[in-house]
Amino acid sequence: NAGVTQTPKFQVLKTGQSMTLQCAQDMNHEYMSWYRQDPGMGLRLIHYSVGAGITDQGEVPNGYNVSRSTTEDFPLRLLSAAPSQTSVYFCASISRGRLYGYTFGSGTRLTVV
Amino acid sequence: DAKTTQPPSMDCAEGRAANLPCNHSTISGNEYVYWYRQIHSQGPQYIIHGLKNNETNEMASLIITEDRKSSTLILPHATLRDTAVYYCIVRVADGGGADGLTFGKGTHLIIQP
Repeated sequence: NAGVTQTPKFQVLKTGQSMTLQCAQDMNHEYMSWYRQDPGMGLRLIHYSVGAGITDQGEVPNGYNVSRSTTEDFPLRLLSAAPSQTSVYFCASISRGRLYGYTFGSGTRLTVV
Repeated sequence: DAKTTQPPSMDCAEGRAANLPCNHSTISGNEYVYWYRQIHSQGPQYIIHGLKNNETNEMASLIITEDRKSSTLILPHATLRDTAVYYCIVRVADGGGADGLTFGKGTHLIIQP
């Protein structure tokens, strides 16, 4: 089915470890973005991209890196995980025309111990 | 993006219409009203959006007041599966996809059997 695919669904990291959260979409959407959601809160924007090779920071970018080498993929890297990064991470995409709103992935639940 | 105000929670009986209000008194002329919902632990789902005319799709209806300072999302025949957090978001539609969405805390709608 067409949509946004996130992997893994669950992950436990130790403080200081690094990892990459994967996000892929097959809808040829130009715009992609990453959000985190802490318990009882709305989503907060981490990084976004308007196309391959172009990325920018959102509201809470510290501790995260992104790159966009293809239209389909937008991985999120945690360089040195901290307990404060325990959260649920969502990836989203939308076409430049933006007729029907963003499509979100099902999320990655990350715990840093 | 203009700020929105929503009640933190609402109840509705199954089979009845659920009316979710949103205040956006500082909305600009080129800003749209978007509604998303998030069912427990899932990624947000786009529902509907509008500029100034009332809109209807297979999921819901959106009623925007004439002065555009408030709106109401209507789920005509609520089911238990409509229990979710509903987010009202105001933003420019075109050219604004670059900076993602700003989520508040939304309204937790609980459908009672």
